[in-house]
Amino acid sequence: DSGVTQTPKHLITATGQRVTLRCSPRSGDLSVYWYQQSLDQGLQFLIQYYNGEERAKGNILERFSAQQFPDLHSELNLSSLELGDSALYFCASSSQGAANTGELFFGEGSRLTVL
Amino acid sequence: GENVEQHPSTLSVQEGDSAVIKCTYSDSASNYFPWYKQELGKGPQLIIDIRSNVGEKKDQRIAVTLNKTAKHFSLHITETQPEDSAVYFCAASKGYGGSQGNLIFGKGTKLSVKP
Repeated sequence: DSGVTQTPKHLITATGQRVTLRCSPRSGDLSVYWYQQSLDQGLQFLIQYYNGEERAKGNILERFSAQQFPDLHSELNLSSLELGDSALYFCASSSQGAANTGELFFGEGSRLTVL
Repeated sequence: GENVEQHPSTLSVQEGDSAVIKCTYSDSASNYFPWYKQELGKGPQLIIDIRSNVGEKKDQRIAVTLNKTAKHFSLHITETQPEDSAVYFCAASKGYGGSQGNLIFGKGTKLSVKP
């Protein structure tokens, strides 16, 4: 168990809809990352938050947005969903400062299916 | 931006044999190279990492080598066991996986160890 919790584990929705994925990082971790895993693109970095602030942005579509709340949990919002958005979405967290070894701790993912 | 190529995409070995997975990266500024193992239904988990000031690192049956000049790094697993069967991802970053950067992953290698 990595200590990172993601909900829901599975989600099925229709094209054009909007969904929210939730992530609780490991206790004490300030950094949260979102990754998308699909069969053809592999693991792609979407966005990083650090203590509530956006820190880095990757290949995140404009239809997607994220935020990190004061209690450090994070949400990834996916809107105007398309078939191609079907994927496994991972959240990861990392420690900071002297405790940061570079390791990312991944949750078990949220599998999104868009029909 | 950074691009990480990983080979082979699938690898099948007999229990007890060695397995080698190779990755190349494009950005000479990358200085952190982790390897993650992903078991079915789980999130990726760090198994070993290496930084650019080191040429080789070993942890029991797992070793990683880095050639900065050629911009490639490899994962070596000796005395493979059935529980080593999983998908392995290499990654590169200009910093640690923490607040200093984000990971660019290869597309993964599915390793099967036959008893």
